[in-house]
Amino acid sequence: GAVVSQHPSRVICKSGTSVKIECRSLDFQATTMFWYRQFPKKSLMLMATSNEGSKATYEQGVEKDKFLINHASLTLSTLTVTSAHPEDSSFYICSARELGYKNIQYFGAGTRLSVL
Amino acid sequence: AQKITQTQPGMFVQEKEAVTLDCTYDTSDPSYGLFWYKQPSSGEMIFLIYQGSYDQQNATEGRYSLNFQKARKSANLVISASQLGDSAMYFCAMSPNQAGTALIFGKGTTLSVSS
Repeated sequence: GAVVSQHPSRVICKSGTSVKIECRSLDFQATTMFWYRQFPKKSLMLMATSNEGSKATYEQGVEKDKFLINHASLTLSTLTVTSAHPEDSSFYICSARELGYKNIQYFGAGTRLSVL
Repeated sequence: AQKITQTQPGMFVQEKEAVTLDCTYDTSDPSYGLFWYKQPSSGEMIFLIYQGSYDQQNATEGRYSLNFQKARKSANLVISASQLGDSAMYFCAMSPNQAGTALIFGKGTTLSVSS
């Protein structure tokens, strides 16, 4: 299947700092990428849909000024957690959809964010 | 509104046995896809199998098969000959067959395989 790369896999930062997470589709172009957040032993919660060359679409309740999304090219989307606080600690995972008959969504390996 | 329901929080199976993970869905879209993903403790989401709403036959991928019953709106995952490495969280998901639409996930089922 297609490969989606996500970096970093783990980050620990101090409260108040900003953290950038990258999501790359390695062997296909993705006009749309998705960002999810997952709490321990829970399901994935869609945060936003990242569209290449345009503004991201955020789900209700997700602060767009806190979670900045940039989809500057057909293979790269970034999520920046601005002024991170301990409550932002979570597992963040991105996905990209390979267009075709099945429209399968492939996921990155995820980023575990810990804010001290 | 679209919804995925997985009613089994946890399932236990012995090695080499088969196990069925339940999934029901609700949608008003005529064309949609159903997906199963595996999430081991490392956190990565691994795509397992896909079933299209218009597919006449049940999907199969190696030891994975999808028991698709459209009238009942169910898409159960069957894992044959379970292995210890199958222990993980399993998510059922769906989306309309439209570009740019996200997946809707169920709450997941934790599968534990014992020797």
